[in-house]
Amino acid sequence: EAQVTQNPRYLITVTGKKLTVTCSQNMNHEYMSWYRQDPGLGLRQIYYSMNVEVTDKGDVPEGYKVSRKEKRNFPLILESPSPNQTSLYFCATRGLYGYTFGSGTRLTVV
Amino acid sequence: QKEVEQNSGPLSVPEGAIASLNCTYSDRGSQSFFWYRQYSGKSPELIMSIYSNGDKEDGRFTAQLNKASQYVSLLIRDSQPSDSATYLCAVNLYRDDKIIFGKGTRLHILP
Repeated sequence: EAQVTQNPRYLITVTGKKLTVTCSQNMNHEYMSWYRQDPGLGLRQIYYSMNVEVTDKGDVPEGYKVSRKEKRNFPLILESPSPNQTSLYFCATRGLYGYTFGSGTRLTVV
Repeated sequence: QKEVEQNSGPLSVPEGAIASLNCTYSDRGSQSFFWYRQYSGKSPELIMSIYSNGDKEDGRFTAQLNKASQYVSLLIRDSQPSDSATYLCAVNLYRDDKIIFGKGTRLHILP
């Protein structure tokens, strides 16, 4: 079954404590992306990757890092989380017929 | 002008009626258009894609595209309570091959 797997689903952390949200896909898609979704603001792209070792900033990259060392994985790293990064995060891959999204990670930074 | 615009709603439709959701976009060269359904707290799921002018039907869903007027719509026939969700319009922009999402329309089907 074609899947995008994100972990964890829920995460509560404290300001400044580094965290990583993992994303893995089994569809062999080259393009992967991270979005955050906030009420009234819709989906906003954080970073995207067009292939291994190729990453680029989206619309709201500040405070985030990504890496793409292998095709299937695209982790999102928050080096020093702040409360304004409390949000619902989605990883997605892009194929011929649009995006496939992971199940989401609800992050709360206190 | 925003790149992809949708009415935020909520749009309330009686059960069994036709729900009509609209979306306009600014990039005249765009070629690919998508509708996603998102239940509260869940991830968006693709329900329709359309690439040519006219109508495309899939079960109770019909996507309509008018490139000259730069709008795309989604009709849901025989609306069911399970159709209550937020519907996101997404457009593949021609100029940079990005897919941009609208903010979504909340649809509420009244039993």
